Amino acid sequence: GQNIDQPTEMTATEGAIVQINCTYQTSGFNGLFWYQQHAGEAPTFLSYNVLDGLEEKGRFSSFLSRSKGYSYLLLKELQMKDSASYLCAVYPYQLIWGAGTKLIIKP
Amino acid sequence: SQTIHQWPATLVQPVGSPLSLECTVEGTSNPNLYWYRQAAGRGLQLLFYSVGIGQISSEVPQNLSASRPQDRQFILSSKKLLLSDSGFYLCAWAKGEGSVTDTQYFGPGTRLTVL
Repeated sequence: GQNIDQPTEMTATEGAIVQINCTYQTSGFNGLFWYQQHAGEAPTFLSYNVLDGLEEKGRFSSFLSRSKGYSYLLLKELQMKDSASYLCAVYPYQLIWGAGTKLIIKP
Repeated sequence: SQTIHQWPATLVQPVGSPLSLECTVEGTSNPNLYWYRQAAGRGLQLLFYSVGIGQISSEVPQNLSASRPQDRQFILSSKKLLLSDSGFYLCAWAKGEGSVTDTQYFGPGTRLTVL
């Protein structure tokens, strides 16, 4: 079967760093995506990993280990606007979505 | 640049009534189009996807249907809504071009409440 696991909720402090983990078991692999979703809004694309290693985009970085079925999203210099859900999605043949991690930022 | 529109933004419908949600994409040709549903606190569930006009694939058997009458128009319909159809409906597009791993971009969504 296809399965993606993420923590349900995390809390972090403004200005700090937070790492959101995603583990997956799928019948194939053609890439992993991270999306950000603010409450009541549509998801917006953050990052895409298809090879092992770290992809950096400003304050956001995403890491992939295909052999371990593991990815993480790293958010640096947290801002209040980063309070949102972060969705991990994996492509075996169609996108399979995790339930998302709700990130709460405290001042 | 590409933009994707969905309407209506919110909808309250009685059980047993019909449904029609529309999605249109601008600024691209022959996109892959997707309909998702998101229940409260849950992940995205793929309902339908289309790689071209008149080509619809269904991922989940249910009382919903989809149609693609034009290249950049995708419609989600139901003849009789159920309470369980309530949720946040999202349309998404991705570049066609034969690749299955292109990034999907979402419309603003329709929040449907069935009473």
